[in-house]
Amino acid sequence: NAGVMQNPRHLVRRRGQEARLRCSPMKGHSHVYWYRQLPEEGLKFMVYLQKENIIDESGMPKERFSAEFPKEGPSILRIQQVVRGDSAAYFCASSQITYEQYFGPGTRLTVT
Amino acid sequence: AQSVTQLGSHVSVSEGALVLLRCNYSSSVPPYLFWYVQYPNQGLQLLLKYTSAATLVKGINGFEAEFKKSETSFHLTKPSAHMSDAAEYFCAVSDSGGGADGLTFGKGTHLIIQP
Repeated sequence: NAGVMQNPRHLVRRRGQEARLRCSPMKGHSHVYWYRQLPEEGLKFMVYLQKENIIDESGMPKERFSAEFPKEGPSILRIQQVVRGDSAAYFCASSQITYEQYFGPGTRLTVT
Repeated sequence: AQSVTQLGSHVSVSEGALVLLRCNYSSSVPPYLFWYVQYPNQGLQLLLKYTSAATLVKGINGFEAEFKKSETSFHLTKPSAHMSDAAEYFCAVSDSGGGADGLTFGKGTHLIIQP
């Protein structure tokens, strides 16, 4: 039973480029969450999605960030025109409703 | 609004000694509480969770935590530390059980095990 999968594991982008982070939830899970972890900080909630719906995006920066979870395929976190401050580890988690969240290994984004 | 405070960004114990990692929370509703462990360059693994059943919760790897409503605490303990316990530990809170909203995390406690 495969866990939550994220790719790529490491991503390097130059300032101004776009970053696309992918997350495939555990089998049978229909809820996906994205978190960001900055150095020496805990995880900060960004967005909660179900298939084709954004349920809660209260933690998403207002500009440049977007997320989707299409009917088919993985969830995508997209960061446009990246800046150095976007460098962080981005974690995806999935769950069944009312159950605990299971985390993927993360994508470490470095902006040069 | 929910919040979590973890006292001590770094905790050092000797191998075989008691591990105590502190977590205090605030929540406007009866909370669901979680402890996660993160090993270097890996994702988070759930250690245990409190969901309003028994106040003493047993988790994996010999860890347990006690929910104390009067103290708004959910401290994590292990009777005897092992070298493999060295990792980052995060306490988290949810209003809904963790499956229907984003978790609010503390800043983490780095556990160091001295040989």
